[in-house]
Order: sequence, then structure tokens, then C-alpha cells
Amino acid sequence: AQTVTQSQPEMSVQEAETVTLSCTYDTSESDYYLFWYKQPPSRQMILVIRQEAYKQQNATENRFSVNFQKAAKSFSLKISDSQLGDAAMYFCAYRSGQTSGSRLTFGEGTQLTVNP
Amino acid sequence: GAVVSQHPSWVICKSGTSVKIECRSLDFQATTMFWYRQFPKQSLMLMATSNEGSKATYEQGVEKDKFLINHASLTLSTLTVTSAHPEDSSFYICSALDRVGNTEAFFGQGTRLTVV
Repeated sequence: AQTVTQSQPEMSVQEAETVTLSCTYDTSESDYYLFWYKQPPSRQMILVIRQEAYKQQNATENRFSVNFQKAAKSFSLKISDSQLGDAAMYFCAYRSGQTSGSRLTFGEGTQLTVNP
Repeated sequence: GAVVSQHPSWVICKSGTSVKIECRSLDFQATTMFWYRQFPKQSLMLMATSNEGSKATYEQGVEKDKFLINHASLTLSTLTVTSAHPEDSSFYICSALDRVGNTEAFFGQGTRLTVV
């Protein structure tokens, strides 16, 4: 079974600074997807960024980028120019690409605080 | 992006009564929907996977007679908490996989259930 681990229960960053959230995963599959979701106080799950395992290039979405290290099974999220609105719980998630309709496996989450 | 509407957003019910939560995909067809439960400051815990036209697959430890799931159409899945007790109070979230793309899961807004 796949597992996802987020070793940082809480992180904080100063507004306009950069922060990196860590995520590692364990799988024997070669075809899979990795995601970072944001859950603000409203508790609506928002997709931040997605990475296909077969792509070597790291995904980037505006101020959000990932460092995908497939061999090390590491998938960290970098938030640049942090804004107050980035404060939220962040979840790393894994999904198999080999099975249609497969579930998401979530990490424990990292609570990010942005200090003004 | 695709929209998943979950209703109600919050509900208070008396112990012993049943509550139904609806999850609708508004602009896409969802072959597969997932139901999660989330406790405060914790990750999402998958309760069951619901496929249109077939019985839901429940995760270990989830009582299928207590948490009834129906996925009668490609746009609607329902979760009914039967004979609710205070320990069932929680935040419930649904997500849906686009039948066509089948890569990204879209989330509903969640339902806060309080059993008194």
C-alpha cells in the first residue's frame, strides 16, 4: 500500500518570504500522480499543484513550485513571496495512475502560518 | 475548474435521527465519488468509494449499515448517516473524479455534522 508522510506538522513564514513544505511517499508503482492541496479555514479543499510521475520537469503554478525527486520519493512544495492568504493546512497526496478511479492517499498535513 | 456541490454545508440533528448529505458534480459526469471524514486538525480519512450504479466499497472499520452511500446517477452521490450519535459529529467531505479526464479529484465544500 502507498503511504504519504509529511514530517512537519506546523510551519511558519514571514510575509513575502519563501517556505518549503516537505513530503515523502512510498510506492512500488511507476505510474502515479502527486498533488498538493490547500485547506484554508473554510475547509474547502483547493488543488495547488499537480505532478505526473513520468514528467521529469518540476511543476510550477505562479508562486508555487515543486521539487520532485522520483528516486528519493520526495515531493516538496515551495511557496515564494508568501502572502497572508497562503495561511492554511497543506496536504500532500498520492494517486495511482495504474488503476482507473483510484483513491487519493493523503499525508497528515502541515499547518502553515504566515506572519505579517 | 469543475464544480462539486455538497449540501448541506452544516446540519444539526438529534441523536437517533438520520441525516442525508448530497454530493453533486455540476458540470461533469463522475463515475467515481469518494466520501471522507475529517476530525479537527487531522487529515482526511477515506470512508468509502462510490461507483455509479454499483455498491459502495467501504474502508475497513467503517460501518456500511450506519453510513449508507447511494450513487444512483453520474452526477449525484448521497451519504446517509443513520441513527446518528454524538460521536458521529464530524466534518464530511465528498470528492468526484471526472469520467473523462479521470486524473484530478474535485472536492465539495464539506458538511459539518453536529449530533446533539
